[in-house]
Amino acid sequence: DIQMTQSPASLSASVGETVTITCRASENIYSYLAWYQQKQGKSPQLLVYNAKTLAEGVPSRFSGSGSGTQFSLKINSLQPEDFGSYYCQHHYGTPPTFGAGTKLELK
Amino acid sequence: EVMLVESGGGLVKPGGSLKLSCAASGFTFSSYAMSWVRQTPEKRLEWVATISSGGSYTYYPDSVKGRFTISRDNAKNTLYLQMSSLRSEDTAMYYCARVVDGFAYWGQGTLVTVSA
Repeated sequence: DIQMTQSPASLSASVGETVTITCRASENIYSYLAWYQQKQGKSPQLLVYNAKTLAEGVPSRFSGSGSGTQFSLKINSLQPEDFGSYYCQHHYGTPPTFGAGTKLELK
Repeated sequence: EVMLVESGGGLVKPGGSLKLSCAASGFTFSSYAMSWVRQTPEKRLEWVATISSGGSYTYYPDSVKGRFTISRDNAKNTLYLQMSSLRSEDTAMYYCARVVDGFAYWGQGTLVTVSA
């Protein structure tokens, strides 16, 4: 199975800051990488798929990049509603696997 | 609006069985593959099963293969997960999700607790 390693595990930031979360795959997954946001008590929501395509309704301050084994999610000018947990997941075949998550907290 | 509503979770003893349902609306259910994904108490996300749009093909990780069965009724716009021989490590929030380039839409989840 492809292992997804996400970093950092947690991150403290202030409103208005720019943050980057990284995800590394244990083998080449081309651009088959998705990012999800999960707020406390809610289900995950798709942010990005195919490494850099924003899901419908996702603000442009979110951006995804990378290919092969190295990927990143960048959030520009953090807003109060952006705090929560973020997960990467490969969608290159079966089984799809997730990173362990990054908890983004308000500093 | 895409809506997925799970039901059927609860407390079950080890070795027991449970059947989850997911009612879909707001899209053409029969056109999409569907999956179940669970989130453990430690917040880890794990894929549990996927079924093709017509129901002919199913996929499972080794951790649930032979114990869980995914199925669907396209006439009723409903997805199912039959779980048997449940173990404590199956304790999780179970979500159904629509599959397109990742898990595009998720339900609110139904909690399954396996405990004596």
